[in-house]
Amino acid sequence: DAGVIQSPRHEVTEMGQEVTLRCKPISGHNSLFWYRQTMMRGLELLIYFNNNVPIDDSGMPEDRFSAKMPNASFSTLKIQPSEPRDSAVYFCASNPGLAGSSNEQFFGPGTRLTVL
Amino acid sequence: EDQVTQSPEALRLQEGESSSLNCSYTVSGLRGLFWYRQDPGKGPEFLFTLYSAGEEKEKERLKATLTKKESFLHITAPKPEDSATYLCAVQSLWNNNDMRFGAGTRLTVKP
Repeated sequence: DAGVIQSPRHEVTEMGQEVTLRCKPISGHNSLFWYRQTMMRGLELLIYFNNNVPIDDSGMPEDRFSAKMPNASFSTLKIQPSEPRDSAVYFCASNPGLAGSSNEQFFGPGTRLTVL
Repeated sequence: EDQVTQSPEALRLQEGESSSLNCSYTVSGLRGLFWYRQDPGKGPEFLFTLYSAGEEKEKERLKATLTKKESFLHITAPKPEDSATYLCAVQSLWNNNDMRFGAGTRLTVKP
């Protein structure tokens, strides 16, 4: 089992540039989550999808952030334009998302984003 | 609003020195409480899920317990490889799948 796959692992960009982070959930998992982790705020949920549909995006900080899940095996988180305060580690997680199944989430290795 | 508070923020132990990490929570109907381990540069790794007060789960040197207001992660005779940040998270009955995480406890075990 490959687990949750994220790319790139590291991204360094300049302020104002567009950044796209990618995630492939565990095969068969119906729910996908995007988190942001910083020293100041810890691990924060940005958005989550169930069966490719966004269920709760209340954690998305601004309109500069957008997320899509075009199919069950792929999701993107886009920041446009990026700002230095967006620098953080972004995690993707997935879980089966089925009624009666266990609810733990399985995390990817993260993308460390640095905006200069 | 659901809240999770972990203490202490950091804990340094000698190898073999047992201790406990605390996770206090406020949630409008607990669906589950989760413990994760996070190593530097990696994503959180799932350890345990607890669903009801009185429940206990064990894995090697770790034991997690749950009451109506808090959870403890007991570490018995820790080894240096247990050094990591331990995260606690709660899931509400009303919020379906999302989780609220605590800030974590950074554990260092010295040989």
